[in-house]
Amino acid sequence: EVQLVESGGGVVQPGGSLRLSCAASGFTFDDYAMHWVRQAPGKGLEWVSLISGDGGSTYYADSVKGRFTISRDNSKNSLYLQMNSLRTEDTALYYCAKDMGDGYNYLDYWGQGTLVTVSS
Amino acid sequence: EIVLTQSPATLSLSPGERATLSCRASQSVSSYLAWYQQKPGQAPRLLIYDASNRATGIPARFSGSGSGTDFTLTISSLEPEDFAVYYCQQRSNWPPKTFGQGTRLEIK
Repeated sequence: EVQLVESGGGVVQPGGSLRLSCAASGFTFDDYAMHWVRQAPGKGLEWVSLISGDGGSTYYADSVKGRFTISRDNSKNSLYLQMNSLRTEDTALYYCAKDMGDGYNYLDYWGQGTLVTVSS
Repeated sequence: EIVLTQSPATLSLSPGERATLSCRASQSVSSYLAWYQQKPGQAPRLLIYDASNRATGIPARFSGSGSGTDFTLTISSLEPEDFAVYYCQQRSNWPPKTFGQGTRLEIK
């Protein structure tokens, strides 16, 4: 059974940093690209970032480019999102999601999310 | 950037009725479109990919159609558990992999 469990969310002041983690199990982790998608309270889904299976290719939404860094450790079956220079508009539930392939770009399994609140 | 516009914003129907949800792309995405279902307090679930292929474990009452710029998600006979928010998502022009703004399917 595929499982994705996010952690690392919390309350942070504007300009601060946070590192999210996602522990994956139930599939061959390095065969699949992974994504981060966020959802602001009461709002729709916003794709944030993508990393290829081998970690060699990364992509970001314009809204986070230059501030967020996606990475993975295939030896630990883990995905990360380093978030720097956080803004109030980054407040959201952050989901880790598995790609259907390695860059197929449909998300077939999702975690339950970790909440990030940026507030002074 | 491709913009996905979903309609209607809210759809009010009764169990047993047929639901038809629309997603329109600002330019052609070929057949590279997916549909997701999200219930309150839950993560999204993939329903349909490549416009018309049901994801693993998705009931046959869910079907998708369309290509180019116009797509439809049809639920043939609504069950109580189908009332949720539905999002479309394109993978044609990437990155970014954009989502529509969602259609809320509510019980009438």
